[in-house]
Amino acid sequence: ETGVTQTPRHLVMGMTNKKSLKCEQHLGHNAMYWYKQSAKKPLELMFVYNFKEQTENNSVPSRFSPECPNSSHLFLHLHTLQPEDSALYLCASSAGTNSDTQYFGPGTRLTVL
Amino acid sequence: GENVEQHPSTLSVQEGDSAVIKCTYSDSASNYFPWYKQELGKRPQLIIDIRSNVGEKKDQRIAVTLNKTAKHFSLHITETQPEDSAVYFCAATSQGVSTGGGNKLTFGTGTQLKVEL
Repeated sequence: ETGVTQTPRHLVMGMTNKKSLKCEQHLGHNAMYWYKQSAKKPLELMFVYNFKEQTENNSVPSRFSPECPNSSHLFLHLHTLQPEDSALYLCASSAGTNSDTQYFGPGTRLTVL
Repeated sequence: GENVEQHPSTLSVQEGDSAVIKCTYSDSASNYFPWYKQELGKRPQLIIDIRSNVGEKKDQRIAVTLNKTAKHFSLHITETQPEDSAVYFCAATSQGVSTGGGNKLTFGTGTQLKVEL
């Protein structure tokens, strides 16, 4: 349960605020991911990082800005969000090779007012 | 890109009965199919996975079958218990931009399983 951690667990922000979500993995993995989970929708992949390099941006609006300073840490910087961005944001990591298991963090429940 | 469809969206069974959840995928190149269980307010957790070189895999009360020709895979839970109640997600790998690392999982919409006493 402590392999992938996320902070904060809950976040309420206004549309003009700037906030950041943090993810840390203690599994020695090389790939990290951001997902968005909304009610009644499948998990949506947002970004993929491998060895600190972004390898996938799934057409995510620029108000979401990821940052990966090293293989253990991943951030998601948020600014001028919309109410429809309210969701559970999940971070995951994997060893890095294709077909590897992804381990999820507990998520950040984001509410945009 | 990959498209994964999952059925049913809700499933209610009596304790001790079996439960089956089915998924179909569109990309014939997909080669890894994990199943995740997500309890209310908790993170998705891998319960079983299967790779394309295997047709069936079993782990105690849980099994997964894969039919590559038909492009569908299923989760089977036998002797269900109340603690099996959760949302179950299937997923399939799709082609990512990078071939050197990381995989791009496409998830199904989830199945809410309720095991009734």
